[in-house]
This record gives sequence, C-alpha cells and structure tokens, in this order.
Amino acid sequence: DAGVIQSPRHEVTEMGQEVTLRCKPISGHDYLFWYRQTMMRGLELLIYFNNNVPIDDSGMPEDRFSAKMPNASFSTLKIQPSEPRDSAVYFCASSPAGGGYGYTFGSGTRLTVV
Amino acid sequence: KQEVTQIPAALSVPEGENLVLNCSFTDSAIYNLQWFRQDPGKGLTSLLLIQSSQREQTSGRLNASLDKSSGRSTLYIAASQPGDSATYLCAVSLSSGSARQLTFGSGTQLTVLP
Repeated sequence: DAGVIQSPRHEVTEMGQEVTLRCKPISGHDYLFWYRQTMMRGLELLIYFNNNVPIDDSGMPEDRFSAKMPNASFSTLKIQPSEPRDSAVYFCASSPAGGGYGYTFGSGTRLTVV
Repeated sequence: KQEVTQIPAALSVPEGENLVLNCSFTDSAIYNLQWFRQDPGKGLTSLLLIQSSQREQTSGRLNASLDKSSGRSTLYIAASQPGDSATYLCAVSLSSGSARQLTFGSGTQLTVLP
C-alpha cells in the first residue's frame, strides 16, 4: 500500500479564495482524521470520520471549514473563504477499525494564505 | 480533557549517547500510546505503538515504556546518531466509546551532534 496520500503538497493562495485539500486513506482503514499543525498550537484534531460518516467536528475552527468523505477512498477539507491565519500544515491520517494498530499519517499539505 | 506534556522541549546530545524522552498524560484511561518522529517540513512517522495492557515496546535502538497508573511514558534511544535528529511526539488515544482520536504532546526537538 502506498500509505495515506495527500494533495497538493504545497498550496499558496490569496486571502478570500477557496482552498480544497485532498486525502486518500489506506485501503481498509475505517477511520480518517484531519489534523492541523501550527507552531503556536501544535497538532490539533479538526474532524474525524468513521466509515465515511463524520463523527466529531468540534475541532473545526469556523464555518469557513468543511470536510467531506464521499466514499471510503477519498476525503476533502475545504476552506472558503481562506484567511492568512489559516496558514498551517494540514495532515490527514487513517486508522483501522478499533485503532489497535495505530495511525498512519500522510505527508501533509503546507497551506500559505497571503 | 486529556493533556499530554513532553519534557524537555529541546535536547542536544553528542553522538553515541543514550537518551530518554519523557511524556506524561493526565487521564490514565488510555487505549494506546504512540510515539512519532517528525523531520523538518515532513509528515509524522510512527515509531512505536504501546497498547494500554503493555509495559513496553522495542524496535531496534528504540524502547518505549508505559506506566499507565502514573500517566507516563518514556522513549529510550540507545547509541544516538546524527540521523536521529528530529522532533519526537507522543500521542495518546482514550478508551471511551469508539473514539480513536489522538491527543498530541508538543514534542521534543532532538539534535544529535556528530
């Protein structure tokens, strides 16, 4: 398996634009997580899905953020409109059912909003 | 709310030295604990996963221990090498329900000097 795949690796956009980040989890993993990493706040959980259903989105900072998982092999995180304070590295991770085997993270998307 | 603390925040050692990184957590009702490595500008690489019923896990020069009752874990690195330089993060997942989200510490930035 190629692991968790995220795209794009880097994204630079202007304030006010829509940004879409993409993630392909490991096949067979029932859980998918979106995390954000900043120097100030470290790694924060934004939202997670179980079997494509959003379970907990309490970490989503504002209504400008939304996430979807239309099928077991694809998820998106969308920011609309984007703001400079959204600049961060966004990670996607997946885990098998039960979580006993731990998590596998993608390489992340570095987002810069200017 | 689970809080994870890592001490020290940064550590610099000469090559060949054995070292210990510390992680503490406030809620002992964990499902498992995972140690990750993060290289600058890169994603997270899983190093060791310890289930709540286990006391330690070993992989090569790495040994992680878990004392759930005291809320502590340590990562022992033997015979350190410059290639071990990275940020090391510990993360715990709680036992409650089906939730498997991770709570991360802020990391220890390790520099091994040649």
